[in-house]
Amino acid sequence: DVKVTQSSRYLVKRTGEKVFLECVQDMDHENMFWYRQDPGLGLRLIYFSYDVKMKEKGDIPEGYSVSREKKERFSLILESASTNQTSMYLCASSFPGTRQETQYFGPGTRLLVL
Amino acid sequence: RKEVEQDPGPFNVPEGATVAFNCTYSNSASQSFFWYRQDCRKEPKLLMSVYSSGNEDGRFTAQLNRASQYISLLIRDSKLSDSATYLCVVTYTGGFKTIFGAGTRLFVKA
Repeated sequence: DVKVTQSSRYLVKRTGEKVFLECVQDMDHENMFWYRQDPGLGLRLIYFSYDVKMKEKGDIPEGYSVSREKKERFSLILESASTNQTSMYLCASSFPGTRQETQYFGPGTRLLVL
Repeated sequence: RKEVEQDPGPFNVPEGATVAFNCTYSNSASQSFFWYRQDCRKEPKLLMSVYSSGNEDGRFTAQLNRASQYISLLIRDSKLSDSATYLCVVTYTGGFKTIFGAGTRLFVKA
């Protein structure tokens, strides 16, 4: 079974803090993704990575950065948290090639920024 | 206009009912199509892929109409355990561009 884990299920941070969200997958997937999910908006792609040290901006990268130093780990960084970054953050991974569209998600991190 | 649009529902149906969801997409270059299921406070999980010829998995049938740019999901003989949010997903550009619909909520009641 594919397993994608995220470092925290719930986080509460203050405005201006630097926040790190970690994601680890154990299936040797090349592709990894970070999304945020908000009511009525669905999942929106923040960043993705198709290889170690490679990253590409998604639809809403502003205020975020990412790091992929190892294949199994993809980190999302909020440089200076703001209240509008309160959301559910979901990490996903997938195979490359013809099966790459099937994404496997972690359990999510609910972030509250006060 | 959103790239992928779904009726948010909620759909409230009794056990045993047949229920259908539709989803429309705006980009004609879209390549692959999926339905994901998301339980309350859980992560999305792949329910099934959607093929042009239509495909069935037990009580679930998915269909794609490229000409009209919509996909559908039919659930027959609804079970209480089918209660969830169903996400329509469209990908293109080799899978890196993935658009999720906002989801349709289904409640199946006894």
